[in-house]
Amino acid sequence: AQSVAQPEDQVNVAEGNPLTVKCTYSVSGNPYLFWYVQYPNRGLQFLLKYITGDNLVKGSYGFEAEFNKSQTSFHLKKPSALVSDSALYFCAVRVLRGSSASKIIFGSGTRLSIRP
Amino acid sequence: GAGVSQSPRYKVAKRGQDVALRCDPISGHVSLFWYQQALGQGPEFLTYFQNEAQLDKSGLPSDRFFAERPEGSVSTLKIQRTQQEDSAVYLCASSGGDSGGFGSVAGYTFGSGTRLTVV
Repeated sequence: AQSVAQPEDQVNVAEGNPLTVKCTYSVSGNPYLFWYVQYPNRGLQFLLKYITGDNLVKGSYGFEAEFNKSQTSFHLKKPSALVSDSALYFCAVRVLRGSSASKIIFGSGTRLSIRP
Repeated sequence: GAGVSQSPRYKVAKRGQDVALRCDPISGHVSLFWYQQALGQGPEFLTYFQNEAQLDKSGLPSDRFFAERPEGSVSTLKIQRTQQEDSAVYLCASSGGDSGGFGSVAGYTFGSGTRLTVV
């Protein structure tokens, strides 16, 4: 079955330290991968995506993600965390259905908490 | 409009009541998606429209759920005879590309959602 997994429900990091939010996936064919962030009472906001090209993808707010085909992973990273990065983060992957339709499926989310 | 607009923001329904949730996608966006997000969970796919055609409704949990997009722009998600397990945030997203929107740079643009509480 095609799926995406976020093994950590919560990640706690001190401000200024690097952060990593983990994601692994299982899909047929070449993966299209996404990271979204959700702040309280807000919709999902796009951070970055990987479709093809360089394995290191840079996105919004200083975030980046590394695509690793052999490990089927797409971990989200940031070199220096900010308190304002505290939010719920979702990894997502495209799933194809037939030749004319596709959809994005989401992981269960990881709550990132940055302490001052 | 500049973003995806959903209304109402909050809806409280008595069990057994019918509800209708509205989504105004970004003007000109071909693809429109509905997701259901239960508390503390990731969004779950419900259905997908390409213009007015509903190409995938595999995620609709029961025949009480119905979605339409008659003119290829505004979409309505209707839930009949609501149950407590229907309580969730319902998210709408749109994308400018076809084939699920992978011609667009930012994937999907999501609305802020409608929080449905069934009492």
